[in-house]
Amino acid sequence: EIVLTQSPGALSLSPGERATLSCRASQSVSNSKLAWYQQKPGQAPRLLIYGASSRATGTPNRFSGSGSGTDFTLTISRLEPEDFSVYYCQQYGNSPWTFGQGTEVEIK
Amino acid sequence: EVQVVESGGGLVQPGRSLRLSCRGFGFTFGDSAMTWFRQAPGKGLELVGLIRTEAFGGTAEYAASVEGRFTISRDDSKSIAYLQMNSLKTEDTALYYCTREILTWGRGTLVTVSS
Repeated sequence: EIVLTQSPGALSLSPGERATLSCRASQSVSNSKLAWYQQKPGQAPRLLIYGASSRATGTPNRFSGSGSGTDFTLTISRLEPEDFSVYYCQQYGNSPWTFGQGTEVEIK
Repeated sequence: EVQVVESGGGLVQPGRSLRLSCRGFGFTFGDSAMTWFRQAPGKGLELVGLIRTEAFGGTAEYAASVEGRFTISRDDSKSIAYLQMNSLKTEDTALYYCTREILTWGRGTLVTVSS
């Protein structure tokens, strides 16, 4: 099973700042099948990025994903108030699909 | 609109069974792998299992934590996927989400296992 480790666990930033979230895999993720989700309290996860770098429908272009192999990054170029949330990475290239433990982006 | 809607959650005693349903709308159900995830209160996300399309054999695979107790099936004629949960444990308490591949998530249905 691939273990995904997200860092940092929490990130305190101000609106307008840049956020950089990391997801490291214990082994190479097949075909860069790495997704990023945003989850707000009481809501289902929302897919932001799939295939490591492709934006899902409706994802604002301030969100970008990058990486391959074992190291992946989600970048939010300029934080908007609605971006303060929890973010999860997920690999779906190797069975079983697994998630990172999440990074909370909080308002400073 | 493409969406999936879960149903069937509720309060159940340990050792009992429950069946969840997931109905798909707005897409060709038979062309999509369907997946069940869960999220325990205050915790992260966990794969429960998935079922492939009939074109890929319609086979299912499961997380180790539910293997042998849970079964996923699908009825493409009704656009429904099922999660049959047997021998439930208190640690199965969670919000269960159905998804179309990784693209479309439902709102979830809550399963509480408690005496």
